Amino acid sequence: EDQVTQSPEALRLQEGESSSLNCSYTVSGLRGLFWYRQDPGKGPEFLFTLYSAGEEKEKERLKATLTKKESFLHITAPKPEDSATYLCAVQATQGGSEKLVFGKGTKLTVNP
Amino acid sequence: DGGITQSPKYLFRKEGQNVTLSCEQNLNHDAMYWYRQDPGQGLRLIYYSQIVNDFQKGDIAEGYSVSREKKESFPLTVTSAQKNPTAFYLCASSIGNRVNSNQPQHFGDGTRLSIL
Repeated sequence: EDQVTQSPEALRLQEGESSSLNCSYTVSGLRGLFWYRQDPGKGPEFLFTLYSAGEEKEKERLKATLTKKESFLHITAPKPEDSATYLCAVQATQGGSEKLVFGKGTKLTVNP
Repeated sequence: DGGITQSPKYLFRKEGQNVTLSCEQNLNHDAMYWYRQDPGQGLRLIYYSQIVNDFQKGDIAEGYSVSREKKESFPLTVTSAQKNPTAFYLCASSIGNRVNSNQPQHFGDGTRLSIL
């Protein structure tokens, strides 16, 4: 069964304290891995797509990386406005059809 | 601005009542999706549609119905057969034809459904 596991479930950081969020996956036929940011009461906002191992993408204080088994979202010198839940999702081919499998998310809190 | 509009933001359902959640997109995307989000769980797919007048069941379709009469619109009806409808419902769209099926999905801001 295709699975996506995110860790930790929750993370508290001080402003400026860099850290990483993890997304490990077991899927057959990986077609892409997506990172989203979700604020309370809002829909997920697309951040990055990664397609193959070794690929990296950056946006402001965020950097996403991908290996054959997991992806990391690195947050450098975070600010309070980076507080949100970060979701990872994997697009896989299953039984001839495409499927997007989501992890449960990591809730990030950045204290000033 | 292009985007996905979900309405209403909050919805209350009485016992035995069907309710319909609206989803409209002006991104010219072919594919549209409905997800359900519950606390502590990942998003779960209810229904999806790759093209007008065609849709497929997702992982948790029981108690729900959809239609896709226009490319821009994909309404979801929560029927009285759905015994635990309280959740946050998210609509998404993507370019999503077979060649570009690994394109990201873009989401609306959701409808929160509660039971009276």
